[in-house]
Amino acid sequence: SAVISQKPSRDICQRGTSLTIQCQVDSQVTMMFWYRQQPGQSLTLIATANQGSEATYESGFVIDKFPISRPNLTFSTLTVSNMSPEDSSIYLCSVGTATNQPQHFGDGTRLSIL
Amino acid sequence: TQLLEQSPQFLSIQEGENLTVYCNSSSVFSSLQWYRQEPGEGPVLLVTVVTGGEVKKLKRLTFQFGDARKDSSLHITAAQPGDTGLYLCAGPNTGNQFYFGTGTSLTVIP
Repeated sequence: SAVISQKPSRDICQRGTSLTIQCQVDSQVTMMFWYRQQPGQSLTLIATANQGSEATYESGFVIDKFPISRPNLTFSTLTVSNMSPEDSSIYLCSVGTATNQPQHFGDGTRLSIL
Repeated sequence: TQLLEQSPQFLSIQEGENLTVYCNSSSVFSSLQWYRQEPGEGPVLLVTVVTGGEVKKLKRLTFQFGDARKDSSLHITAAQPGDTGLYLCAGPNTGNQFYFGTGTSLTVIP
């Protein structure tokens, strides 16, 4: 399966700032996704990162808050903008062959906002 | 509304005990997956079940898909501390949306 690297692995940020999380895959993949996870809880899909076009966001998530880029088939970024303590969470990148197929995950970025 | 409900939410057992985790839905799924997530890591795919009634074994782990493809179970025999983690079921429903279950946090005490 694909090897997925996320950077940074963790960060502590000040409220009002923005942080960009990177997701690099060692092979070309069709689908890339971004999730949010509270520690010990399940995953919530933020958006599907589309190569060459705007990401597809799930209900409750908007592009202004979570801009996503996907310039090619191996790389994507998620920016958490104008952060508040409510954004403290784990952010995970995953890849898959289709929207309805099992996914493989990076190790996540643990984000804390003071 | 959570499409996939898992029970129990938390489970703490002694090493050597057996346990079962349930994943239930009112919707039909074409397949279900089980993931295990350890602290500081992303979820790792354990198994995919596809056929109603299917049983798959992975060492001490036994996975079953319900006959109606609306539920699944994970049974662990003789649990070990290395089994500790968050267990998640997941799958696409007939609308091709991918859902994750509510999660079961398992702690195996040495």
